[in-house]
Amino acid sequence: AQSVAQPEDQVNVAEGNPLTVKCTYSVSGNPYLFWYVQYPNRGLQFLLKYITGDNLVKGSYGFEAEFNKSQTSFHLKKPSALVSDSALYFCAVRTRSGGYNKLIFGAGTRLAVHP
Amino acid sequence: AAGVIQSPRHLIKEKRETATLKCYPIPRHDTVYWYQQGPGQDPQFLISFYEKMQSDKGSIPDRFSAQQFSDYHSELNMSSLELGDSALYFCASSLGGQQGTDTQYFGPGTRLTVL
Repeated sequence: AQSVAQPEDQVNVAEGNPLTVKCTYSVSGNPYLFWYVQYPNRGLQFLLKYITGDNLVKGSYGFEAEFNKSQTSFHLKKPSALVSDSALYFCAVRTRSGGYNKLIFGAGTRLAVHP
Repeated sequence: AAGVIQSPRHLIKEKRETATLKCYPIPRHDTVYWYQQGPGQDPQFLISFYEKMQSDKGSIPDRFSAQQFSDYHSELNMSSLELGDSALYFCASSLGGQQGTDTQYFGPGTRLTVL
């Protein structure tokens, strides 16, 4: 079965410090990986995706993520956190065996950036 | 840029009533997805449509049905509502949703409360 794990319920970071939100996946076949952010009472906003090619993917708002096949990870990173980055972050995967339609989400990680 | 539109944004129903949620995809997008997000949960895939045909089905109850119309908008019909149906319902749209590489763009969601 396909699954995504976000091992941290919450990540706390001081403003200006680098941040990392972790994601690991378990799939059969090649994964297509995505990160979304959700602000309170809002929809999911797309940040970035990995399909193929360069393992380092750059996305919106200064975020980037690194695909590591050997560790089956796709951690989200940002060099310098902002208070406005505080939100709920979801990692998601799609695979051929999943029919390529549905996104399978992790449980989410709440990022809190303190001034 | 135009985004996914969902209506209504909020809906309150009694048990055993019916509800209809509407989704208007981003112009020229041909694929629509429905997800359900319970309180404190990650989004769960319900159903998807590509070019007006059902393309995949997830954990959608038999009491729910959906379709995509000729103008590509979609409706999720929910009957015999139960308390457990209270959730945030997201619609997402994409272009070419059969290869897995497309990005799903989410609407703001409809918050359904069943009393």
